[in-house]
Amino acid sequence: QVQLQQSGPGLVKPSQTLSLTCAISGDSVSSNSAAWNWIRQSPSRGLEWLGRTYYRSRWYNNYAVSVKSRITINPDTSKNQFSLQLNSVTLEDTAVYYCARVGGSGSLDYWGQGTLVTVSS
Amino acid sequence: QSVLTQPPSASGTPGQGVTIPCSGSSSNIGSNTVNWYQQLPGTAPKLLIHSDNQRPSGVPDRFSGSKSGTSASLAISGLQSEDEADYYCAAWDNNMFGWVFGGGTKLTVL
Repeated sequence: QVQLQQSGPGLVKPSQTLSLTCAISGDSVSSNSAAWNWIRQSPSRGLEWLGRTYYRSRWYNNYAVSVKSRITINPDTSKNQFSLQLNSVTLEDTAVYYCARVGGSGSLDYWGQGTLVTVSS
Repeated sequence: QSVLTQPPSASGTPGQGVTIPCSGSSSNIGSNTVNWYQQLPGTAPKLLIHSDNQRPSGVPDRFSGSKSGTSASLAISGLQSEDEADYYCAAWDNNMFGWVFGGGTKLTVL
């Protein structure tokens, strides 16, 4: 059974960096058949995919155009986890952030518990 | 404005059936499979249907999915009070090169 456990601060100041981590159990971040995603949800923007990292003989990353200049998703094979960094945050980045796996079904099948991140001074 | 279009609300009485539509385009639903999610308040979305019409283990067969062209739908039969939740459709979009979602449909069991 795959489980994703998120951690990270719930409050970030404007212009600073949002950092979250997603620890994986029951699968490997280096799996050749999975992809590891970050998604956020807010009342104004709904569910919004932010990006992914995955391993297919080498590491790949893809990011949503809306955040491409500010986002980094990194795998950590030593801890079997992956992380999200979002730079230069504004009030509009306030949302519940989720990590999620794309598995063999080709769908976002397992999700983390969600982290409410509030951007406020 | 979500890429996939869903009605904001739907309702039904216990025992009845309800269908939730999801409309997209050739770059998402028209080219890739559709997934459906159920979200209860304060929880993460839960996969309900994948690959247009496949139920993951543990999902009751009261839930079914279908797709035609650039539209998909989720059907729920024999409504129960615990089905009251938000439902979202999702698909990969070849133009945006990312996952896109519907705006969600809030299902009320009257």
